[in-house]
Amino acid sequence: DVKVTQSSRYLVKRTGEKVFLECVQDMDHENMFWYRQDPGLGLRLIYFSYDVKMKEKGDIPEGYSVSREKKERFSLILESASTNQTSMYLCASCRDSNSPLHFGNGTRLTVT
Amino acid sequence: TQLLEQSPQFLSIQEGENLTVYCNSSSVFSSLQWYRQEPGEGPVLLVTVVTGGEVKKLKRLTFQFGDARKDSSLHITAAQPGDTGLYLCAANPNDYKLSFGAGTTVTVRA
Repeated sequence: DVKVTQSSRYLVKRTGEKVFLECVQDMDHENMFWYRQDPGLGLRLIYFSYDVKMKEKGDIPEGYSVSREKKERFSLILESASTNQTSMYLCASCRDSNSPLHFGNGTRLTVT
Repeated sequence: TQLLEQSPQFLSIQEGENLTVYCNSSSVFSSLQWYRQEPGEGPVLLVTVVTGGEVKKLKRLTFQFGDARKDSSLHITAAQPGDTGLYLCAANPNDYKLSFGAGTTVTVRA
């Protein structure tokens, strides 16, 4: 089974802090994604990557950056956390554009 | 406006009843996926529908893709408490950017 592991289930950070969310997948998938999930809005794509060191903006990239130095790891970075970034963050991976997404269990981030 | 509109947003039914969840769009898709998300977990793929008019069954769950490939429905027969969860439809209008609907929260009461 594909496993997508997010390093933290819960995080509480203060406004202005730099926050790193880590995601690792073990199936050699080319494509990795970061979504945020908010009630009534569904999943919104922040950034995705289709190869090492490659990244593409999703629908809501403002306030975020990403890093993909190794194929199995995709990191989401909040340079200066703000309260409107309080959300559930979901990492996902897939083999190619016709394959389903495999999700991690999410990181619930609270920014106070 | 979202690419995929799901309805209803919430659904609460008694065990044994039937329910239908809808996913609509003005766009045409080559395929559409349905996911279920349980509390504390990430979404898990239930099914992918590809052909217009296609019907797929997964035990008590029946998925249909509209003839024009713009909409889909999920029907659950004789719902059970284990069917409780957030049901999400998703489609890929282009390249890798899978878009999700806002989801339908289904609660099945014992």
